[in-house]
Amino acid sequence: GAGVSQSPRYKVAKRGQDVALRCDPISGHVSLFWYQQALGQGPEFLTYFQNEAQLDKSGLPSDRFFAERPEGSVSTLKIQRTQQEDSAVYLCASSLVGTSGGANQFFGPGTRLTVL
Amino acid sequence: AQSVTQPDIHITVSEGASLELRCNYSYGATPYLFWYVQSPGQGLQLLLKYFSGDTLVQGIKGFEAEFKRSQSSFNLRKPSVHWSDAAEYFCAVGARTNAGKSTFGDGTTLTVKP
Repeated sequence: GAGVSQSPRYKVAKRGQDVALRCDPISGHVSLFWYQQALGQGPEFLTYFQNEAQLDKSGLPSDRFFAERPEGSVSTLKIQRTQQEDSAVYLCASSLVGTSGGANQFFGPGTRLTVL
Repeated sequence: AQSVTQPDIHITVSEGASLELRCNYSYGATPYLFWYVQSPGQGLQLLLKYFSGDTLVQGIKGFEAEFKRSQSSFNLRKPSVHWSDAAEYFCAVGARTNAGKSTFGDGTTLTVKP
């Protein structure tokens, strides 16, 4: 497809389980972003990759959150020992250029994570 | 630190009426500014953006927004709303010095009455 895809679209986890969320960016896009969107709020920045390099992870809420993009395309956001406060929609976005703060970001549909 | 405020949580307008959604930002210099729309189950879609130059920017679906530096505002407008415009709208600010890292407001939900 031409857009950003994310899988799974929905994930239910028991508290304490580990989860892995996948993002397939638009082919050729250099930059990849992860955002967390809690219910009733706007997306909040988690982390940013330029190709395979993770240049900014200042938004990751705890060391239970880990993201990787080993080959500069597909990215995985992993959450260890999930907690109820991790329940949110996790959005992935990609953009064509690497350093421009104004480059258009294309968003995927998100993964809705519910932690019971 | 940059921040965005969308004062209106929920707005209801009649189909065919005009629309204005408010957005105020805080940033130390001239920012990049964006408006996105999010329909249920859909990803965020970019409506328009401001980088520099003309302070009135045109976007898709008949939307426009005006950057007012003196008021730190970037309000979104549409002269005649269609029922399909019902969705959630997010304003965002992006730092010029930090590649693509955007800060979003909490959104405004638009309901369109027939």
